[in-house]
Amino acid sequence: DTAVSQTPKYLVTQMGNDKSIKCEQNLGHDTMYWYKQDSKKFLKIMFSYNNKELIINETVPNRFSPKSPDKAHLNLHINSLELGDSAVYFCASSQEAYVRDGYTFGSGTRLTVV
Amino acid sequence: KNQVEQSPQSLIILEGKNCTLQCNYTVSPFSNLRWYKQDTGRGPVSLTIMTFSENTKSNGRYTATLDADTKQSSLHITASQLSDSASYICVVRSDYQLIWGAGTKLIIKP
Repeated sequence: DTAVSQTPKYLVTQMGNDKSIKCEQNLGHDTMYWYKQDSKKFLKIMFSYNNKELIINETVPNRFSPKSPDKAHLNLHINSLELGDSAVYFCASSQEAYVRDGYTFGSGTRLTVV
Repeated sequence: KNQVEQSPQSLIILEGKNCTLQCNYTVSPFSNLRWYKQDTGRGPVSLTIMTFSENTKSNGRYTATLDADTKQSSLHITASQLSDSASYICVVRSDYQLIWGAGTKLIIKP
């Protein structure tokens, strides 16, 4: 199936741990994104990569570090997890950045920090 | 400040009924407006996109309208089905930025 897939779907971890979320798209898109959806359901962009290059880096703690080994993958690594990091994280992709095309989203990773 | 506000926050209707969701925005400059449907536990899926010159656009039982003068958009759902239960999110693009609304949670009851 052509899609954006992210793993794991659920992640429960203790404060202070380091964790990674993986994302892969087989749509041939050039641009990938990480979004955070908080408890109020707002989707906020965190990072955007176009052809493995960082093009958007919103104000997020530097404990969050994206890694794009190739244009089909954009992983999110989080160091020293805090309670406030608990949220659903969505990976998305689009053919091009800054144009009218829509995003294709993954199913989300629900991160719970205890 | 660029903002997108949606109303109502949540809505419960009976299967087969129609409903209309509202989106008001204060975004400048305006590029386009998109409605997404987000099922529980899934990522958002695009329903329709509206540009400045478009007033109405339909996608099956979904009809979106845009009034660029008043900066309002609506999403009308006709003959609702149980599968329409989801959150509906309005997103406005301004140049290189996407401004997301908080969504309307729609519940369809049999």
